[in-house]
Amino acid sequence: QSVLTQPPSASGTPGQRVTISCSGSSSNIGSNTVNWYQQLPGTAPKLLIYSNNQRPSGVPDRFSGSKSGTSASLAISGLQSEDEADYYCAAWDDSLNGHWVFGGGTKLTVL
Amino acid sequence: EVQLVESGGGLVQPGGSLRLSCAASGFTFSSYSMNWVRQAPGKGLEWVSYISSSSSTIYYADSVKGRFTISRDNAKNSLYLQMNSLRDEDTAVYYCARDGVVGATSHFDYWGQGTLVTVSS
Repeated sequence: QSVLTQPPSASGTPGQRVTISCSGSSSNIGSNTVNWYQQLPGTAPKLLIYSNNQRPSGVPDRFSGSKSGTSASLAISGLQSEDEADYYCAAWDDSLNGHWVFGGGTKLTVL
Repeated sequence: EVQLVESGGGLVQPGGSLRLSCAASGFTFSSYSMNWVRQAPGKGLEWVSYISSSSSTIYYADSVKGRFTISRDNAKNSLYLQMNSLRDEDTAVYYCARDGVVGATSHFDYWGQGTLVTVSS
């Protein structure tokens, strides 16, 4: 059972906008920033969004992140077939001397 | 170009030991904190351990505390994970990940390709 809660699956058709939620608590999302990672099939994870809503160089602006209270969201607009992947949220958790926590991951299917 | 290359994975019996390595290049290794993150087959990501740039601060996930030891050699641009008393549930792909810091926040900005550890009799 993951500390951060994500829906196990999401889907959309090309061109649509989809959102993926990530729910945590006061010790993690509530007091620290949220990062999002994309894992394409058979590859290592890649940083997609950091500090709640910042995109690393090279990440299309179709990807955006937001945070409110103890929850965060990843939005993907103009969905493309190559966006089909697993998406993970992560945050630092201040409890128990500190540790990173991940969501269980959301598998995005492009129909 | 930042590169992280893990090695040392393999098949080990329960109770056995294994030492993973991560060779870093393309950046000033001694300036960055590093992490190990693992992924069991068909499962999600699980953070394992963190080490600061000077090795002065180290954290472990509860699931590996007392069994795993993270270390680094800045002269060799290398990160290590000594894994002892291995259990079936430690079977996973192990990734090393650089800790990218922006202001007061951090994230895993570069990942290696991973090395598979299989614990089985």
